[in-house]
Amino acid sequence: DAKTTQPTSMDCAEGRAANLPCNHSTISGNEYVYWYRQIHSQGPQYIIHGLKNNETNEMASLIITEDRKSSTLILPHATLRDTAVYYCIADDMRFGAGTRLTVKP
Amino acid sequence: DTGVSQDPRHKITKRGQNVTFRCDPISEHNRLYWYRQTLGQGPEFLTYFQNEAQLEKSRLLSDRFSAERPKGSFSTLEIQRTEQGDSAMYLCASSFEGFTEAFFGQGTRLTVV
Repeated sequence: DAKTTQPTSMDCAEGRAANLPCNHSTISGNEYVYWYRQIHSQGPQYIIHGLKNNETNEMASLIITEDRKSSTLILPHATLRDTAVYYCIADDMRFGAGTRLTVKP
Repeated sequence: DTGVSQDPRHKITKRGQNVTFRCDPISEHNRLYWYRQTLGQGPEFLTYFQNEAQLEKSRLLSDRFSAERPKGSFSTLEIQRTEQGDSAMYLCASSFEGFTEAFFGQGTRLTVV
C-alpha cells in the first residue's frame, strides 16, 4: 500500500497558484518524497522530489513540513495544460489514487 | 536516447491466451518497474528489478504473471491464461539506483475479450 494520502480532486482557476497537499506521516527519515503527474492516456511524468528542504524547479515548488509528515506541491501559475492527476509517492514507488486537478478558465 | 519504450502499445487477446509485453528502459538505468493501471486508479505496483535481479514482487500478483530482465537490459512481462480482469494499461518505468526520478513509458493497453 502507498505511504501517502491525497485528496481525490481539486479545482484551480487558470493563472492562479495550485496547491496540492500530501500526507506522508509514516515515511522514514531518509525517504524522499516524489511528485508525478499523469495526463490522460500517458505514463506518469516526474515533476519534483525532496527530502527535507523546500525545492523548486522550472515546473513547480515543493514545500515539506519540518516534521516531514506532509508536503505541498505548488504550481505557481496554473494553466489549462496542468489539468492532470497528480501523485505524491515515497521511495517505495507505490502509487495511490492521486489528486485529480482541474484547472478552469 | 528516446526514453522508455514499450511494445506493443495495444494488444487485444482472447481469454485464455498468453501475452508478453516488452519494455526497453533508458540506457544504463539499473532499476526497472512494472505497474498495472485500470481506469480511475493510480498505477498498481507489480514488480521491480535492479539490474537482472527481481527484488520485489507484489503479493497481489498471481502466479500467472511472470517478469524477466535478462542481462539487466530490457524486460518482459508475461501473462498466462489471460482473464478479462487482466484488461488494463501496463506501465514500465526505469531509474538509476538511489534517490532519482523514474521515467515511464507510454504503456501497453491490454484488452482481453
